Amino acid sequence: GAGVSQSPSNKVTEKGKDVELRCDPISGHTALYWYRQSLGQGLEFLIYFQGNSAPDKSGLPSDRFSAERTGGSVSTLTIQRTQQEDSAVYLCASSPETGFETQYFGPGTRLLVL
Amino acid sequence: DQQVKQNSPSLSVQEGRISILNCDYTNSMFDYFLWYKKYPAEGPTFLISISSIKDKNEDGRFTVFLNKSAKHLSLHIVPSQPGDSAVYFCAASAYGYALNFGKGTSLLVTP
Repeated sequence: GAGVSQSPSNKVTEKGKDVELRCDPISGHTALYWYRQSLGQGLEFLIYFQGNSAPDKSGLPSDRFSAERTGGSVSTLTIQRTQQEDSAVYLCASSPETGFETQYFGPGTRLLVL
Repeated sequence: DQQVKQNSPSLSVQEGRISILNCDYTNSMFDYFLWYKKYPAEGPTFLISISSIKDKNEDGRFTVFLNKSAKHLSLHIVPSQPGDSAVYFCAASAYGYALNFGKGTSLLVTP
């Protein structure tokens, strides 16, 4: 079956602009996660959704970052007024439920802020 | 604060030999551990996992060992193959949602 998909695969933007990153989870997966990987770093947790609600937003680096999920499926991560330090690979993952469930990752969106 | 640490950035092993990748963690609340494999320009691919009630889990050529008292886990690949060359990430979670990742170990398996 189809895996997690993300779009766009690459995004170059100018400092100060807003960007939207999209994630389509595996069909039927109720849990969805956003991570980012900056150069030379491990993956950093940003936010997770159980259904359409986000019980844990503690990983969002600043109030410029927000995310939503609609219909228990597609999620959008929005970064407002982008800064150069936002440059990273943004990865989305989904799992059937939370708990002892394997998270399956998409290919990521490579964001470069000039 | 890095709660999951992979202290070896890289490892080179000959084909057919054993590869051992190590991971240490600091949070005693972690109860689920996973290894992911990542190729360039791709997302991480799940490899193998272990819960804290076990000390070993095996899947084909891959075995993960967990030593809770030492807060240490390791991934053994036997025998190593050139196609195993990738970056390996150790990850851990508490209460089953957000994964905490190490920085990865780049494995190179040479023919």
